[in-house]
Amino acid sequence: GEDVEQSLFLSVREGDSSVINCTYTDSSSTYLYWYKQEPGAGLQLLTYIFSNMDMKQDQRLTVLLNKKDKHLSLRIADTQTGDSAIYFCAESMAGNTGKLIFGQGTTLQVKP
Amino acid sequence: GAGVSQTPSNKVTEKGKYVELRCDPISGHTALYWYRQSLGQGPEFLIYFQGTGAADDSGLPNDRFFAVRPEGSVSTLKIQRTERGDSAVYLCASSLGPGGTYEQYFGPGTRLTVT
Repeated sequence: GEDVEQSLFLSVREGDSSVINCTYTDSSSTYLYWYKQEPGAGLQLLTYIFSNMDMKQDQRLTVLLNKKDKHLSLRIADTQTGDSAIYFCAESMAGNTGKLIFGQGTTLQVKP
Repeated sequence: GAGVSQTPSNKVTEKGKYVELRCDPISGHTALYWYRQSLGQGPEFLIYFQGTGAADDSGLPNDRFFAVRPEGSVSTLKIQRTERGDSAVYLCASSLGPGGTYEQYFGPGTRLTVT
C-alpha cells in the first residue's frame, strides 16, 4: 500500500545544515515533493524531484533520492531561524491524477 | 494574483449537524483537490476533481462526505451528521492540470471543530 514515513522532530543550530529524511513504500511513485508548513500559513511547495533523478539542487536546498531504498532526503544548507516549520514529504502516484500521499511531517526547530 | 481561498476559516458545529466548506481555486485551474489534516498528521487525500467531475473520490471516508464542483470552478465539501472525529483542518488545493507535473497550490484551510 501507500505509506510515507518521516521522523517527527529535528533541532539544529542556526548556520548548521539540516537533513530531513523520508521513506516511502510505493515503487510506482512518479514525483516526490517537499512541502513547508508554517503556523497559520498554508502548505508551500519547496521543491520536487522526478523519480528518474537522484539529486536536485535549488539554492540552499538539496534533494537526494535513493529509489532502490525508497529513501528521500532534504538538506537545507546554512539553516536560518526562518526555516523553523513543519516539513512534509509527499509522493504522487502513477496514473496522472496528481493525488498526493503525505508523511506525518518533521518539525524543524532552529536555535539561534 | 489571488491564491486559493477557503471559507469559512473556522467552523464550530454540534455533533449531528450538517456543514458545508467552500473552496475558490485559482482562476483557470482545472484540477481541484480536497485534503483533511488532523492534528499532528500530514494532509490526507479526500477527493480530486478534473473540471466538473470527481475523477477520484477514493479518499472520502464514508457516505457522510460529499463534494461538488458544478461549474468547474468553486467547490463545496459537504459533511452530513457530523461526528467529533470529523474535527480537522480541511485543505483545498488547485492546479493548472492533473498529474504530478503541475504544482498544487494550497489554500489556508478551514478548521472544523465538532463539539
